[in-house]
Amino acid sequence: GAGVSQSPSNKVTEKGKDVELRCDPISGHTALYWYRQRLGQGLEFLIYFQGNSAPDKSGLPSDRFSAERTGESVSTLTIQRTQQEDSAVYLCASSSLSNTGELFFGEGSRLTVL
Amino acid sequence: TQLLEQSPQFLSIQEGENLTVYCNSSSVFSSLQWYRQEPGEGPVLLVTVVTGGEVKKLKRLTFQFGDARKDSSLHITAAQPGDTGLYLCAGTPGDEKLTFGTGTRLTIIP
Repeated sequence: GAGVSQSPSNKVTEKGKDVELRCDPISGHTALYWYRQRLGQGLEFLIYFQGNSAPDKSGLPSDRFSAERTGESVSTLTIQRTQQEDSAVYLCASSSLSNTGELFFGEGSRLTVL
Repeated sequence: TQLLEQSPQFLSIQEGENLTVYCNSSSVFSSLQWYRQEPGEGPVLLVTVVTGGEVKKLKRLTFQFGDARKDSSLHITAAQPGDTGLYLCAGTPGDEKLTFGTGTRLTIIP
């Protein structure tokens, strides 16, 4: 596809379960970002990839959160032992430049933890 | 502490009125971007300003980058309901990652 694709678009899970969110960036984009957006709030930075490496993981809120990227393409964000406070929209964005170019966002994955 | 503070946080005005939202920082940015996010979608880039004092116009939207490259403003003339959304500024201080501001949630009342 031409844009950033995220899946699932909606995920409802029970507290304590693990979830995996996927992001397919625009082909050739080397930079990839994950953000969290709680209802009515701004963007909370989680992690930034340049290629397959993550020079900045400072935004991951706890060790229950992890992310990886392979083949300088697809990225997955994994949340283990989900808690209700993890409920949010998780947005992925990619860019053709290292850290200064325009970000192209996906539509997000809405996570609801019951 | 937020690197980029936006004000106001919320703004609700009547269709046809003018408005200005602000993005302020104590840091110098090589460039600043403005994004708009509509409900259920990801943010979309509106403009990038790169030169201190630069003014860019996009139809009824006017963006200005401060002379010292520490702040920016967005002015909307004759607001329309389609302008409703969350407005986010973003910038890269030095060689760090792109950082988003706190956001301004704008509602235009028909």
